[in-house]
Amino acid sequence: QKEVEQNSGPLSVPEGAIASLNCTYSDRGSQSFFWYRQYSGKSPELIMSIYSNGDKEDGRFTAQLNKASQYVSLLIRDSQPSDSATYLCAVINSGGSNYKLTFGKGTLLTVNP
Amino acid sequence: EAQVTQNPRYLITVTGKKLTVTCSQNMNHEYMSWYRQDPGLGLRQIYYSMNVEVTDKGDVPEGYKVSRKEKRNFPLILESPSPNQTSLYFCASSLAPGPPNEKLFFGSGTQLSVL
Repeated sequence: QKEVEQNSGPLSVPEGAIASLNCTYSDRGSQSFFWYRQYSGKSPELIMSIYSNGDKEDGRFTAQLNKASQYVSLLIRDSQPSDSATYLCAVINSGGSNYKLTFGKGTLLTVNP
Repeated sequence: EAQVTQNPRYLITVTGKKLTVTCSQNMNHEYMSWYRQDPGLGLRQIYYSMNVEVTDKGDVPEGYKVSRKEKRNFPLILESPSPNQTSLYFCASSLAPGPPNEKLFFGSGTQLSVL
């Protein structure tokens, strides 16, 4: 069973701080990595995708990927109360004829005003 | 408006009564998939489809069926629902499998209760 592990949280940070969310995955053949945000009672929405080692920045969000350590993270700078949500790490392995997408269980982030 | 439409939004049924949850997308996406979301277990993939007439099992396919006869539709069928299938279900689609088109667009979800 391919696994994606996240700290369930809750992770609580003050407004303006950096929130750091972490994810590890078990399948070395994984090729595509995503962070989705899910507000309570809503559908997940994509905030970042990353495919190669290193950092990828988009506004206040930075995704980091380290395939050797099988680790992907999301940093949220200048955290806002509107960032309070569950963050889901997702990993795709598309080896052979398979195309499996596996989500972690999510980390609940609370940003306190 | 580009969207994934799921129906119904809420469904209460009884054990053994066949039901279908519909999913339709208007974005000409090749890839469609179904997930269930349970507290403490996160989102788990039930089935996915790479294109018309091509479907494959996800991590939790037992008790479910799907079909992909048209590109836009991907219904989820529960032939004989049981209480352990009580869950929040999401349909999602993406333009194509493979980067960089893998962004998933989710439907609004279907909250199913099986009594």
